[in-house]
Amino acid sequence: AQSVTQLDSQVPVFEEAPVELRCNYSSSVSVYLFWYVQYPNQGLQLLLKYLSGSTLVKGINGFEAEFNKSQTSFHLRKPSVHISDTAEYFCAVSDQNSGSRLTFGEGTQLTVNP
Amino acid sequence: NAGVTQTPKFQVLKTGQSMTLQCAQDMNHNSMYWYRQDPGMGLRLIYYSASEGTTDKGEVPNGYNVSRLNKREFSLRLESAAPSQTSVYFCASSEFTQSYRYGYTFGSGTRLTVV
Repeated sequence: AQSVTQLDSQVPVFEEAPVELRCNYSSSVSVYLFWYVQYPNQGLQLLLKYLSGSTLVKGINGFEAEFNKSQTSFHLRKPSVHISDTAEYFCAVSDQNSGSRLTFGEGTQLTVNP
Repeated sequence: NAGVTQTPKFQVLKTGQSMTLQCAQDMNHNSMYWYRQDPGMGLRLIYYSASEGTTDKGEVPNGYNVSRLNKREFSLRLESAAPSQTSVYFCASSEFTQSYRYGYTFGSGTRLTVV
């Protein structure tokens, strides 16, 4: 069965600084990886996903993530954050054996300070 | 706008009361899911319905039941609410049964407090 671990529960940064949110996964087969964002009192929105091909995936709002098979990681990055990026971010994994089910990490709260 | 609609948005229950959380999607998705979100634990799958007419248990099904009423609607029932069921509940849907390629569309959540 697949699993995912988000290595930081909280990440505080200053506005315009770069940020990296870390995600490691485990699976015995080829995986599909997702990052979701949850703004306060809202549902989750898809930021980006990796299915196959290029290991660098670009998403909405200037975010990107890199799939690293040897490190079993899928870290999320943004070169310059804004106050409006303050939210909780979830990494999720699925594979061909999981059918329609996604497994989510515990979440990382990103707080951008002025 | 098209999407996933959950009702109610907020609910307070007394221990032992029952209630049903409603979820409807208008995107003609095949698969629907119920998750609960608790601090520090991410989202945990309660039940899911891969297609109309089928339902399966997820990671934390105890204390819950579900009904896939039709292709659009998937309800979650708490028969006898307990304080441990205080949580935020999210419904989600996906386009195909093998949604590993497409991800989910989420509703805005139901905040449930059991006192």
